[in-house]
Amino acid sequence: QSVLTQPPSASGTPGQSVTISCSGRSSNIGRHTVNWYQQLPGTAPKFLIYSNDQRSSGVPDRFSASKSGTSASLAISGLQSEDEAAYYCAAWDDNLNGVVFGGGTKLTVL
Amino acid sequence: QVQLVQSGAEVKRPWDSVTVSCTASGYTFTSYFVHWVRQAPGQGLEWMGTINPNGGKTTYAQRFQDRVTMTRDTSTSTVYMELSSLRSDDTAVFYCARLRGSGYYGDAFDLWGQGTVVTVSS
Repeated sequence: QSVLTQPPSASGTPGQSVTISCSGRSSNIGRHTVNWYQQLPGTAPKFLIYSNDQRSSGVPDRFSASKSGTSASLAISGLQSEDEAAYYCAAWDDNLNGVVFGGGTKLTVL
Repeated sequence: QVQLVQSGAEVKRPWDSVTVSCTASGYTFTSYFVHWVRQAPGQGLEWMGTINPNGGKTTYAQRFQDRVTMTRDTSTSTVYMELSSLRSDDTAVFYCARLRGSGYYGDAFDLWGQGTVVTVSS
């Protein structure tokens, strides 16, 4: 059971937009910034978003993220087939004194 | 180039220990914390702990506290993660990852190793 809660799956057709949610608590998202990672099948995770809404270098502006209270979200617009991957949110947790991850959302581009 | 290169796949028996290495290149090794993240087959990411290469101070996740040891060798820019008393459910891919250099412990992992598959089987 992951500390941060994400929907296990999401889907969309090419060109559509999709949003992935990430829900936490005051001890993690409520006090700390949220980071997002993309993991393509069979590869290591890739750094996508840091500090709630800042894109990593080279990440297309089709990817955007936000945080409000104890929740965060990742939005992908203009879906492309290469966006098909698992997406993970993460944040520091004061109670656990460590990094906590969401369970991951597998995005399917239909 | 800037990269983290991990050691190769391991097959271990229950109760064995495994050591995975992570060698940094292309940046100042002692300027960035290194974290370890585990991913069981078909599962999500799980944080294991971190080491500060500048001094060697470690912080471990509670569930691994008794079984994990992280060390570093500044002469080779290498971080090591040893996991002991292996069980079959320790079968996973282990990743090392570099924390962005902002100084904030909750910052993002901006560089990842390629992953090391550890299989625990009798």
